[in-house]
Amino acid sequence: DTGVSQNPRHKITKRGQNVTFRCDPISEHNRLYWYRQTLGQGPEFLTYFQNEAQLEKSRLLSDRFSAERPKGSFSTLEIQRTEQGDSAMYLCASSLESADEQFFGPGTRLTVL
Amino acid sequence: GDSVTQMEGPVTLSEEAFLTINCTYTATGYPSLFWYVQYPGEGLQLLLKATKADDKGSNKGFEATYRKETTSFHLEKGSVQVSDSAVYFCALRGSSASKIIFGSGTRLSIRP
Repeated sequence: DTGVSQNPRHKITKRGQNVTFRCDPISEHNRLYWYRQTLGQGPEFLTYFQNEAQLEKSRLLSDRFSAERPKGSFSTLEIQRTEQGDSAMYLCASSLESADEQFFGPGTRLTVL
Repeated sequence: GDSVTQMEGPVTLSEEAFLTINCTYTATGYPSLFWYVQYPGEGLQLLLKATKADDKGSNKGFEATYRKETTSFHLEKGSVQVSDSAVYFCALRGSSASKIIFGSGTRLSIRP
């Protein structure tokens, strides 16, 4: 399957712990996006990369959140000192530069106890 | 800022009924407009798109027309099937932006 993949699919953690998610985009896509989706809502933009450069960050992305895409391929999203309000589905998407369509992965569901 | 407002759900219809899910948007310039669908247990998939005024996007029997004068992009299907049961998201991408802005989603359930 050559779609966007995300790992893990589910993560349960205790408040205050750090968590890291991984996203592998479609191989020829140079743009990679992170979104967050809470129950009953649409996805909200967090940040995006073009190759290895992080070009935009939402105000939703507090300083406890950090994202990297070191070699312009896979990306990681780390949340430090998790809070219950961080519980959500974290979605990754990728696209060709300036293409309209973004292809979404299955998401990582985070539950913070 | 840019935003999308869509019809609240849930929407429950009988098989073969006509479907309309309303969507309006606020944006500067000329955004691209999308409908995404999320089937149970699956990721978001692009259903259809339109990139300029009066364009009609269509796929799998669904249609939506980009109406700049009413800032709308309503989703329609003439005869729904049980397999259309899903959550539908209206979305836009601003003309100078990369991120997609989504509406809150409309859950559609089709009864056999």
